[in-house]
Amino acid sequence: SQTIHQWPATLVQPVGSPLSLECTVEGTSNPNLYWYRQAAGRGLQLLFYSVGIGQISSEVPQNLSASRPQDRQFILSSKKLLLSDSGFYLCASGGADAYNEQFFGPGTRLTVL
Amino acid sequence: DAKTTQPPSMDCAEGRAANLPCNHSTISGNEYVYWYRQIHSQGPQYIIHGLKNNETNEMASLIITEDRKSSTLILPHATLRDTAVYYCTSPNAGGTSYGKLTFGQGTILTVHP
Repeated sequence: SQTIHQWPATLVQPVGSPLSLECTVEGTSNPNLYWYRQAAGRGLQLLFYSVGIGQISSEVPQNLSASRPQDRQFILSSKKLLLSDSGFYLCASGGADAYNEQFFGPGTRLTVL
Repeated sequence: DAKTTQPPSMDCAEGRAANLPCNHSTISGNEYVYWYRQIHSQGPQYIIHGLKNNETNEMASLIITEDRKSSTLILPHATLRDTAVYYCTSPNAGGTSYGKLTFGQGTILTVHP
Protein backbone atom coordinates (compact mmCIF):
# COMPACT_ATOMS: atom_id res chain seq x y z
CA SER A 1 0.00 0.00 0.00
CA GLN A 2 0.95 3.62 -0.30
CA THR A 3 2.68 5.71 2.35
CA ILE A 4 2.26 9.47 2.39
CA HIS A 5 4.82 11.63 4.16
CA GLN A 6 4.11 15.20 5.14
CA TRP A 7 6.22 17.75 6.93
CA PRO A 8 6.32 19.62 9.10
CA ALA A 9 3.75 18.13 11.46
CA THR A 10 2.99 21.48 13.06
CA LEU A 11 3.83 25.01 12.07
CA VAL A 12 3.24 28.43 13.61
CA GLN A 13 3.80 31.32 11.24
CA PRO A 14 3.20 35.09 11.43
CA VAL A 15 0.80 36.79 9.07
CA GLY A 16 2.56 37.83 5.87
CA SER A 17 5.24 35.17 6.03
CA PRO A 18 5.78 32.59 3.25
CA LEU A 19 4.75 28.95 3.46
CA SER A 20 6.01 25.71 2.02
CA LEU A 21 4.48 22.35 2.92
CA GLU A 22 5.87 19.23 1.35
CA CYS A 23 4.28 15.88 0.60
CA THR A 24 5.99 12.79 -0.78
CA VAL A 25 4.48 9.47 -1.72
CA GLU A 26 5.91 5.95 -1.57
CA GLY A 27 4.57 2.69 -2.95
CA THR A 28 3.00 3.87 -6.17
CA SER A 29 3.78 5.66 -9.40
CA ASN A 30 1.88 8.30 -11.35
CA PRO A 31 -0.71 8.85 -8.62
CA ASN A 32 -3.34 11.54 -8.52
CA LEU A 33 -2.32 13.89 -5.72
CA TYR A 34 -4.56 16.12 -3.64
CA TRP A 35 -4.19 18.90 -1.10
CA TYR A 36 -7.10 19.25 1.33
CA ARG A 37 -7.71 21.64 4.19
CA GLN A 38 -9.74 20.59 7.17
CA ALA A 39 -11.19 23.40 9.21
CA ALA A 40 -12.61 23.12 12.69
CA GLY A 41 -15.85 21.17 12.65
CA ARG A 42 -14.40 18.33 10.58
CA GLY A 43 -15.29 19.51 7.06
CA LEU A 44 -12.78 18.63 4.32
CA GLN A 45 -12.15 21.08 1.47
CA LEU A 46 -10.23 20.16 -1.68
CA LEU A 47 -7.68 22.85 -2.51
CA PHE A 48 -5.61 21.43 -5.36
CA TYR A 49 -5.51 18.37 -7.53
CA SER A 50 -2.77 17.00 -9.82
CA VAL A 51 -2.84 14.18 -12.36
CA GLY A 52 0.84 14.46 -13.30
CA ILE A 53 4.10 16.39 -13.08
CA GLY A 54 3.51 20.09 -13.59
CA GLN A 55 -0.27 19.65 -13.84
CA ILE A 56 -2.21 21.48 -11.15
CA SER A 57 -5.93 22.16 -10.88
CA SER A 58 -7.18 24.64 -8.33
CA GLU A 59 -10.54 24.06 -6.76
CA VAL A 60 -11.05 27.37 -4.99
CA PRO A 61 -9.55 30.84 -5.40
CA GLN A 62 -7.22 31.50 -2.55
CA ASN A 63 -3.91 32.71 -1.25
CA LEU A 64 -2.23 29.38 -1.84
CA SER A 65 -0.54 27.66 -4.76
CA ALA A 66 0.64 24.13 -5.47
CA SER A 67 3.37 22.54 -7.51
CA ARG A 68 4.35 19.04 -8.51
CA PRO A 69 8.01 19.05 -9.50
CA GLN A 70 8.34 15.25 -9.41
CA ASP A 71 5.94 12.36 -9.85
CA ARG A 72 5.61 11.66 -6.15
CA GLN A 73 6.23 15.13 -4.71
CA PHE A 74 3.52 17.69 -4.08
CA ILE A 75 4.17 21.10 -2.56
CA LEU A 76 1.75 23.64 -1.12
CA SER A 77 2.98 27.23 -0.96
CA SER A 78 2.04 30.76 -0.14
CA LYS A 79 3.94 34.02 -0.60
CA LYS A 80 2.12 35.80 2.22
CA LEU A 81 0.04 33.94 4.80
CA LEU A 82 -3.31 35.22 6.03
CA LEU A 83 -5.00 34.47 9.33
CA SER A 84 -7.63 32.55 7.40
CA ASP A 85 -4.97 30.13 6.13
CA SER A 86 -4.83 28.45 9.54
CA GLY A 87 -6.01 24.86 9.48
CA PHE A 88 -5.09 21.20 9.15
CA TYR A 89 -3.58 20.49 5.74
CA LEU A 90 -3.78 17.00 4.34
CA CYS A 91 -2.04 15.52 1.33
CA ALA A 92 -3.63 12.50 -0.31
CA SER A 93 -2.73 10.11 -3.08
CA GLY A 94 -5.21 8.22 -5.20
CA GLY A 95 -5.51 6.09 -8.29
CA ALA A 96 -6.24 7.20 -11.80
CA ASP A 97 -10.00 7.23 -11.44
CA ALA A 98 -12.70 7.98 -8.92
CA TYR A 99 -13.02 4.34 -7.98
CA ASN A 100 -9.75 4.08 -6.11
CA GLU A 101 -9.41 4.86 -2.45
CA GLN A 102 -7.29 7.78 -1.37
CA PHE A 103 -4.44 7.44 1.08
CA PHE A 104 -3.89 10.37 3.39
CA GLY A 105 -0.77 11.69 5.01
CA PRO A 106 -0.55 12.52 8.71
CA GLY A 107 -1.30 16.19 8.05
CA THR A 108 0.26 19.54 8.95
CA ARG A 109 -1.40 21.74 11.50
CA LEU A 110 -0.77 25.35 10.53
CA THR A 111 -1.45 28.25 12.86
CA VAL A 112 -1.10 31.75 11.47
CA LEU A 113 -0.77 34.44 14.15
CA ASP B 1 -21.21 14.69 -5.60
CA ALA B 2 -23.90 12.81 -3.78
CA LYS B 3 -24.91 14.50 -0.54
CA THR B 4 -24.59 12.27 2.50
CA THR B 5 -26.26 12.49 5.90
CA GLN B 6 -24.99 10.80 9.06
CA PRO B 7 -25.95 10.95 12.74
CA PRO B 8 -23.59 13.26 14.64
CA SER B 9 -22.63 10.73 17.29
CA MET B 10 -23.03 7.12 18.40
CA ASP B 11 -21.91 5.01 21.32
CA CYS B 12 -20.94 1.35 21.33
CA ALA B 13 -19.77 -1.10 23.98
CA GLU B 14 -16.40 -2.72 23.45
CA GLY B 15 -16.74 -6.11 21.78
CA ARG B 16 -20.17 -5.37 20.37
CA ALA B 17 -20.99 -4.57 16.76
CA ALA B 18 -21.09 -0.92 15.76
CA ASN B 19 -23.60 -0.12 13.01
CA LEU B 20 -23.08 3.28 11.43
CA PRO B 21 -25.80 4.49 9.04
CA CYS B 22 -25.51 6.87 6.12
CA ASN B 23 -28.17 8.33 3.85
CA HIS B 24 -27.17 9.17 0.27
CA SER B 25 -30.50 9.56 -1.48
CA THR B 26 -29.07 11.65 -4.36
CA ILE B 27 -26.40 9.15 -5.35
CA SER B 28 -26.24 8.36 -9.06
CA GLY B 29 -25.83 4.97 -10.66
CA ASN B 30 -22.06 5.11 -11.15
CA GLU B 31 -21.10 6.71 -7.86
CA TYR B 32 -19.47 4.52 -5.27
CA VAL B 33 -20.02 4.85 -1.53
CA TYR B 34 -16.81 5.19 0.45
CA TRP B 35 -16.18 5.10 4.17
CA TYR B 36 -13.21 6.71 5.90
CA ARG B 37 -12.44 7.29 9.52
CA GLN B 38 -10.29 9.85 11.29
CA ILE B 39 -8.75 9.41 14.67
CA HIS B 40 -8.11 12.67 16.45
CA SER B 41 -5.37 14.80 14.85
CA GLN B 42 -4.49 12.15 12.26
CA GLY B 43 -5.14 11.90 8.54
CA PRO B 44 -8.29 10.08 7.41
CA GLN B 45 -7.99 6.33 6.87
CA TYR B 46 -9.79 4.43 4.13
CA ILE B 47 -12.09 1.67 5.42
CA ILE B 48 -14.18 0.22 2.62
CA HIS B 49 -16.19 1.11 -0.48
CA GLY B 50 -18.97 -0.38 -2.58
CA LEU B 51 -21.30 0.25 -5.50
CA LYS B 52 -24.25 -2.11 -5.31
CA ASN B 53 -23.24 -5.31 -3.58
CA ASN B 54 -22.42 -5.73 0.08
CA GLU B 55 -18.70 -5.72 0.77
CA THR B 56 -16.49 -7.07 3.53
CA ASN B 57 -12.81 -6.66 4.30
CA GLU B 58 -10.58 -7.13 7.29
CA MET B 59 -11.79 -3.90 8.86
CA ALA B 60 -15.52 -3.79 8.30
CA SER B 61 -18.60 -4.75 6.32
CA LEU B 62 -20.64 -2.45 4.12
CA ILE B 63 -24.34 -3.07 3.57
CA ILE B 64 -25.92 -1.05 0.74
CA THR B 65 -29.69 -0.99 0.32
CA GLU B 66 -31.12 -2.23 -2.95
CA ASP B 67 -32.21 1.27 -3.97
CA ARG B 68 -28.73 2.56 -3.01
CA LYS B 69 -30.20 5.45 -1.04
CA SER B 70 -28.54 4.39 2.18
CA SER B 71 -25.81 2.18 3.57
CA THR B 72 -24.52 0.88 6.90
CA LEU B 73 -20.95 0.40 7.97
CA ILE B 74 -20.55 -2.47 10.40
CA LEU B 75 -17.59 -2.91 12.73
CA PRO B 76 -18.27 -6.46 13.93
CA HIS B 77 -16.35 -6.34 17.21
CA ALA B 78 -15.63 -2.75 18.16
CA THR B 79 -12.52 -1.98 20.20
CA LEU B 80 -11.47 1.15 22.04
CA ARG B 81 -9.15 1.94 19.11
CA ASP B 82 -12.17 2.22 16.83
CA THR B 83 -13.18 5.45 18.57
CA ALA B 84 -13.01 7.99 15.74
CA VAL B 85 -15.02 10.17 13.39
CA TYR B 86 -16.49 8.07 10.58
CA TYR B 87 -17.20 9.66 7.22
CA CYS B 88 -19.47 8.36 4.51
CA THR B 89 -18.76 9.95 1.14
CA SER B 90 -19.17 9.55 -2.58
CA PRO B 91 -16.30 10.81 -4.73
CA ASN B 92 -16.95 12.96 -7.74
CA ALA B 93 -17.15 10.52 -10.63
CA GLY B 94 -16.31 12.97 -13.38
CA GLY B 95 -15.38 16.46 -14.43
CA THR B 96 -12.11 18.23 -13.70
CA SER B 97 -11.94 17.20 -10.06
CA TYR B 98 -11.94 13.50 -10.67
CA GLY B 99 -11.87 11.58 -7.42
CA LYS B 100 -12.56 14.65 -5.34
CA LEU B 101 -13.57 13.77 -1.80
CA THR B 102 -15.97 15.82 0.27
CA PHE B 103 -16.43 15.01 3.93
CA GLY B 104 -19.47 16.18 5.84
CA GLN B 105 -19.60 16.27 9.60
CA GLY B 106 -19.37 12.51 9.96
CA THR B 107 -20.35 10.41 12.98
CA ILE B 108 -18.32 10.49 16.16
CA LEU B 109 -18.21 6.87 17.32
CA THR B 110 -17.25 6.40 20.96
CA VAL B 111 -16.46 2.85 22.05
CA HIS B 112 -16.85 2.34 25.80
CA PRO B 113 -15.09 -0.31 27.92
